[in-house]
Amino acid sequence: QVQLQESGPGLVKPSGTLSLTCAVSGGSISSTNWWSWVRQPPGKGLEWIGEIYYSGSTNYNPSLKSRVTISVDKSKNQFSLKVNSVTAADTAVYYCATKSGTWSKFDYWGQGTLVTVSS
Amino acid sequence: EIVLTQSPGTLSLSPGERATLSCRASQSVGSSYLAWYQQKPGQAPRLLIYGASSRATGIPDRFSGSASGTDFTLTISRLEPEDFAVYYCQQYGTLPLTFGGGTKVEIK
Repeated sequence: QVQLQESGPGLVKPSGTLSLTCAVSGGSISSTNWWSWVRQPPGKGLEWIGEIYYSGSTNYNPSLKSRVTISVDKSKNQFSLKVNSVTAADTAVYYCATKSGTWSKFDYWGQGTLVTVSS
Repeated sequence: EIVLTQSPGTLSLSPGERATLSCRASQSVGSSYLAWYQQKPGQAPRLLIYGASSRATGIPDRFSGSASGTDFTLTISRLEPEDFAVYYCQQYGTLPLTFGGGTKVEIK
């Protein structure tokens, strides 16, 4: 069973860059899965940020595309998220999640990590 | 993008009662690519239903899903104490992937 674990700074300054990593265990990141980031502002709903395939192919939510980069590190079996020019509106719990195909549901989720944007 | 509208926002029920949650899509969700997740405070979402009506592994049979055109329904036949949570629908047939706003099932 795949397990996912997010890591990264819990506090980021406004206009800075949010950087998170998701470590994958119990499976290979080079499988046929797609690897996603989903966020949830405090007390609000879920928002899909984007996804990556082990080959490097990516899909992004148009609402965030200009500020987001998702990358994969096959040697470390992990993938990462960067969000540029952050504001308080980017404060959220960030989850990594995976689905077993292009058009599939999210089978596994990380526990989530809270990132606060504040000076 | 496909907008998913969940109703009601909050459902106040007692243990043992039946819960009916609705999710309406703004356009066709290809091949019923619709999932339901349960989320409890401080936890990640948990997959309950996929393909509109298939239960995920380990999900009790009191949870069921159905579809009619762009209308999707999650039914919990008899609420157990552990079922009080927030439920989200999600479509995975069109990019960007989108979630509904959630329905909170609370104890009456």
